[in-house]
Amino acid sequence: GIQVEQSPPDLILQEGANSTLRCNFSDSVNNLQWFHQNPWGQLINLFYIPSGTKQNGRLSATTVATERYSLLYISSSQTTDSGVYFCAVDDYGQNFVFGPGTRLSVLP
Amino acid sequence: DGGITQSPKYLFRKEGQNVTLSCEQNLNHDAMYWYRQDPGQGLRLIYYSQIVNDFQKGDIAEGYSVSREKKESFPLTVTSAQKNPTAFYLCASSTQSGQFYNEQFFGPGTRLTVL
Repeated sequence: GIQVEQSPPDLILQEGANSTLRCNFSDSVNNLQWFHQNPWGQLINLFYIPSGTKQNGRLSATTVATERYSLLYISSSQTTDSGVYFCAVDDYGQNFVFGPGTRLSVLP
Repeated sequence: DGGITQSPKYLFRKEGQNVTLSCEQNLNHDAMYWYRQDPGQGLRLIYYSQIVNDFQKGDIAEGYSVSREKKESFPLTVTSAQKNPTAFYLCASSTQSGQFYNEQFFGPGTRLTVL
């Protein structure tokens, strides 16, 4: 089945810094989502982005489907950005597969 | 307001007992899903349902059972056959485009602990 990798596994930032999180996948995908899991476990939808670029405030995402990767950019990070960031892909209806996540800690 | 609800938030079970986790959505979504998350790990698919009265096994279905009698509801039963059931359980729903998944939305989760 499809493999999903995320990097880096852990990231520590000072408040105000920028960061880039990466998601690589091993096969063609129909859809890709980015989620933020907060400290209480809630998964919050960030982007639904099978291809192209989207922006929402300080966050933006780019998926290059032909090269099988997606990037999540966080600018001017805040302590509330802390948590785990997951990407998940749909390999054309066979399965919806999550990556292992990137754990982000933003220090005040 | 629209969304996905899960209950209970915390659940404690003795070994050998079956327990049922509730998941309800009022988003009018056809598809519903159950995932399991272990500490420090990603999510793994247990079961999913694309339509009422039909459901499919995911990657880790052994020791679990589901039903889909109503569009709004997709309860998960953790049976005594599940060897290591202590985990965080998340329910999700989405619309469908044929066989393909559309954007998934998640409930707040249930933390199950086996004593």
